[in-house]
Amino acid sequence: EPEVTQTPSHQVTQMGQEVILRCVPISNHLYFYWYRQILGQKVEFLVSFYNNEISEKSEIFDDQFSVERPDGSNFTLKIRSTKLEDSAMYFCASSAQRLAGGTQYFGPGTRLTVL
Amino acid sequence: KQEVTQIPAALSVPEGENLVLNCSFTDSAIYNLQWFRQDHGKGLTSLLLIQSSQREQTSGRLNASLDKSSGRSTLYIAASQPGDSATYLCAVTREGGADGLTFGKGTHLIIQP
Repeated sequence: EPEVTQTPSHQVTQMGQEVILRCVPISNHLYFYWYRQILGQKVEFLVSFYNNEISEKSEIFDDQFSVERPDGSNFTLKIRSTKLEDSAMYFCASSAQRLAGGTQYFGPGTRLTVL
Repeated sequence: KQEVTQIPAALSVPEGENLVLNCSFTDSAIYNLQWFRQDHGKGLTSLLLIQSSQREQTSGRLNASLDKSSGRSTLYIAASQPGDSATYLCAVTREGGADGLTFGKGTHLIIQP
């Protein structure tokens, strides 16, 4: 069964460094998302992406964040200058239909630790 | 702002019992509601999606209901098994075509063998 994959599974970085988290969505899906989950807290929406542009973003998704679909298969989240509070599990998701009509399928997550 | 609440926060029951997990949301203007399962430290697995026009969805031993006007959903698990132990998350999308899911904090379920 097709699934969303994410790399790396765990990333450790120093405060102020740039990180890029990678995702490979399910191949025929057109809508892509990033979420994060700080330890012990709710899963929070960051951004959605369709047709090579952002369709919605939350207030968490500030200028330090950016997303890109550099080729036909990868979807990336870049954090320009990491802060301690960026430490969290980051989940990528994809759906075949417009979100409001379609199931979102999540990847296994990347655990980001900022020291 | 939409708030999603899940009760109880934790539940421990013996194997074989039927159980109900509750989810409530403050803004009834939702497009759909999705139930997920999250195993400890892992990703989210979609269990059921209910469109706002639907009342319930079933998959195997799982049945989810939706009462949009009262802002409530329940997930019924029949004949629980130890393998059902996980955190169950409820999430909604906003009417108007907004994309982001708003999640509850989840119910941590333990099924005792």
